Amino acid sequence: AQKVTQAQTEISVVEKEDVTLDCVYETRDTTYYLFWYKQPPSGELVFLIRRNSFDEQNEISGRYSWNFQKSTSSFNFTITASQVVDSAVYFCALSEANFNKFYFGSGTKLNVKP
Amino acid sequence: DTAVSQTPKYLVTQMGNDKSIKCEQNLGHDTMYWYKQDSKKFLKIMFSYNNKELIINETVPNRFSPKSPDKAHLNLHINSLELGDSAVYFCASSQETGASVGNQPQHFGDGTRLSIL
Repeated sequence: AQKVTQAQTEISVVEKEDVTLDCVYETRDTTYYLFWYKQPPSGELVFLIRRNSFDEQNEISGRYSWNFQKSTSSFNFTITASQVVDSAVYFCALSEANFNKFYFGSGTKLNVKP
Repeated sequence: DTAVSQTPKYLVTQMGNDKSIKCEQNLGHDTMYWYKQDSKKFLKIMFSYNNKELIINETVPNRFSPKSPDKAHLNLHINSLELGDSAVYFCASSQETGASVGNQPQHFGDGTRLSIL
């Protein structure tokens, strides 16, 4: 079975703080993909990143960074110097190699206060 | 140009009615999906179609019937609507194989908010 766990239901930070959103996944597949999506209050789902199971290299994109560790089955997402516009629900997701099915975590709601 | 478009954006109707949500993608993707997002924001896959063929049906009630007239369309018809059907429904599409996709494998529509009175 495939499963994605985001244990943090809701996080509140003050602007400019760093924040890490946790994601732990479970799969028996050797080839799989991991993703993060952002859902702002407007409701649309915004793709942030995709990671292949065979590529553990961490990635940085501006204030966003992702730490993929197969040893702990985790794919954590860090926002540095958070901003009010970062307030959203963030979803971690896992898919099979052929993308027939995606499994989403329950989401973490991030509140960034001015 | 909108990659994945679904209509309507909002749908308010009474219990017991039958309604449809349409989805179209202009990306040339082979696979399309329907997801349901409940009031707690939990996002769950309902159906997955590849080249008009159903490949995933996540134990969704028979009242939900997806129809794919061609590769670019996956419509969702719901019979005898119930209060528990109130949710946001997202359509999405992706390429068939992981090897052929770019960084963004799955494109989502903007969602259809269904409210049952």
